[in-house]
Amino acid sequence: DAKTTQPTSMDCAEGRAANLPCNHSTISGNEYVYWYRQIHSQGPQYIIHGLKNNETNEMASLIITEDRKSSTLILPHATLRDTAVYYCIVRFRAGNMLTFGGGTRLMVKP
Amino acid sequence: EAGVAQSPRYKIIEKRQSVAFWCNPISGHATLYWYQQILGQGPKLLIQFQNNGVVDDSQLPKDRFSAERLKGVDSTLKIQPAKLEDSAVYLCASSLDFLFRGVAAFFGQGTRLTVV
Repeated sequence: DAKTTQPTSMDCAEGRAANLPCNHSTISGNEYVYWYRQIHSQGPQYIIHGLKNNETNEMASLIITEDRKSSTLILPHATLRDTAVYYCIVRFRAGNMLTFGGGTRLMVKP
Repeated sequence: EAGVAQSPRYKIIEKRQSVAFWCNPISGHATLYWYQQILGQGPKLLIQFQNNGVVDDSQLPKDRFSAERLKGVDSTLKIQPAKLEDSAVYLCASSLDFLFRGVAAFFGQGTRLTVV
């Protein structure tokens, strides 16, 4: 069952790109990588997900390495409102649920 | 598009009382999930429905927790009797289909339960 490893915390200057790494070395070929974030007292917010190719939407970009063992979430121009816990999740192979780990606490500073 | 709706937003009860939470998923979403999030931890799955059938309830404490999705749309989660350690945020999420089909799950704002 794929497991993810993320740094516990990161800082980013407002207006700069935030690059959040995630390792998922045991990922299987048909498992998607999902990114969610959670701002204090709110439910997790979906950001983006991908299988093999890089993905981009209005919120962020997802870069997945060719061997699929790691990925990076990029917030191109971080704002103070992007301060949150970011979760990288690989769909639990034995089931169909999203299994949340500890996530990365991103602090965007002025 | 309306999101996942949950009610109530907050609930305070005494231990040994019962409580129920309600969830209305995004229209057309076949899969519905209930998660429990204890302060300082990531959400933990309690139960997953596909339409009105249970897919996975392996982490649901069945001696006190129950959930149903009778018509395949709304769902309720009940705790009876509540314990102090049940204090948490209860999150409902829904997705169009099983996640292995490459769809995303969307979460509601949650119900914050405090057991005193």
